[in-house]
Amino acid sequence: EAGVVQSPRYKIIEKKQPVAFWCNPISGHNTLYWYRQNLGQGPELLIRYENEEAVDDSQLPKDRFSAERLKGVDSTLKIQPAELGDSAVYLCASSLVNTEAFFGQGTRLTVV
Amino acid sequence: QKEVEQDPGPLSVPEGAIVSLNCTYSNSAFQYFMWYRQYSRKGPELLMYTYSSGNKEDGRFTAQVDKSSKYISLFIRDSQPSDSATYLCAMSSPNTGNQFYFGTGTSLTVIP
Repeated sequence: EAGVVQSPRYKIIEKKQPVAFWCNPISGHNTLYWYRQNLGQGPELLIRYENEEAVDDSQLPKDRFSAERLKGVDSTLKIQPAELGDSAVYLCASSLVNTEAFFGQGTRLTVV
Repeated sequence: QKEVEQDPGPLSVPEGAIVSLNCTYSNSAFQYFMWYRQYSRKGPELLMYTYSSGNKEDGRFTAQVDKSSKYISLFIRDSQPSDSATYLCAMSSPNTGNQFYFGTGTSLTVIP
């Protein structure tokens, strides 16, 4: 069974430019998460979807970040415009109800 | 106070040693407990998943949950250089839906 797939793996952009990350969760997993992980820190939740509905986006900086989950499957996270402080690893994860979360390999974003 | 506390280390042990990794938490409603292993430049990989209190063993790994003390542990027996990674604890509760709370991770190095 394929795991959580993310792309791209690495992205380097200049500040003020837009960037987008894509995630394909494990088949059948209704819950999808986007996390941000800074060096030496644990993952921090940005947004959580139950099917196509965003049920927790309280930590998403909505002035520059946006996300969508098409038809309750794939998801895209966008940053526009990017700032230097957005440099981090962006992780996507998925889970069934009340079970463990499975992570993708992440996208390492560097904003210069 | 953070929901989950984890000593960041770093922890350095000789090959073959028994490793003990720990997390404490504040929310008594947590019932699902997870340990993830994260290699450098990779996404977190689920190692152990336990429900409520007790022990769970999987090969060289043992997860222990003490809900009365709000304390969880991961033991690694006969540690190997390939165990060198960052270990993240995570937990969740049915009361908080599918929201996971992560520790900051403990960096472990096993020296050959």
